[in-house]
Amino acid sequence: QVTLKESGPGILQPSQTLSLTCTFSGFSLSTYGMGVGWIRQPSGKGLEWLANIWWDDDKYYNPSLKNRLTISKDTSNNQAFLKITNVDTADTATYYCARIYGGYLYFDYWGQGVMVTVSS
Amino acid sequence: DIQMTQSPASLSASLGETVTIECRASEDIYNGLAWYQQKPGKSPQLLIYNANSLHTGVPSRFSGSGSGTQYSLKINSLQSEDVASYFCQQYYDYPYTFGAGTKLELK
Repeated sequence: QVTLKESGPGILQPSQTLSLTCTFSGFSLSTYGMGVGWIRQPSGKGLEWLANIWWDDDKYYNPSLKNRLTISKDTSNNQAFLKITNVDTADTATYYCARIYGGYLYFDYWGQGVMVTVSS
Repeated sequence: DIQMTQSPASLSASLGETVTIECRASEDIYNGLAWYQQKPGKSPQLLIYNANSLHTGVPSRFSGSGSGTQYSLKINSLQSEDVASYFCQQYYDYPYTFGAGTKLELK
């Protein structure tokens, strides 16, 4: 059974760095073709893809967030991470992590999401 | 970036009706398209991948079709549990992009 669960700070102030953790089970990020992605959704709005990390440590980022994103993984502990630097109120959203399976490129299982609010 | 234009933005339909949601890509995405269902307060769930393949456990009343730049999601015999928002997503090229969503309600 594949499960993913996001965790984060809940609330942070503008200009701080947002650190998110995705803890998963039912698959390994050391398995050929596996990947994890991060996607966010402001309340009542659409979905925005942020970044992917692959089993071979290949990484892809959404250029709209320029150089603010860093994705990483801890294979031994079944975790993936996302950092967003210099946050502002526009980064307020629910953040999801999701699995990308076996070389396919779509998200087949999603976590429940974690709400993050940026406010002074 | 590939732009995904989804229509309609909202849709009201009766139980048992057939509904269709469209997604148009700004360039050919070679069937690299997924459809997701998101119920209120929940995370998105995969329905369709590769434009027309049904994800494991998804009811057969859901189907996807299309090619090139035009894709559609059809729901046959609408059920009450199908009330949700639906999103398309292209994964043919980075950055992945989503349609703006279709909110489906019961009439």
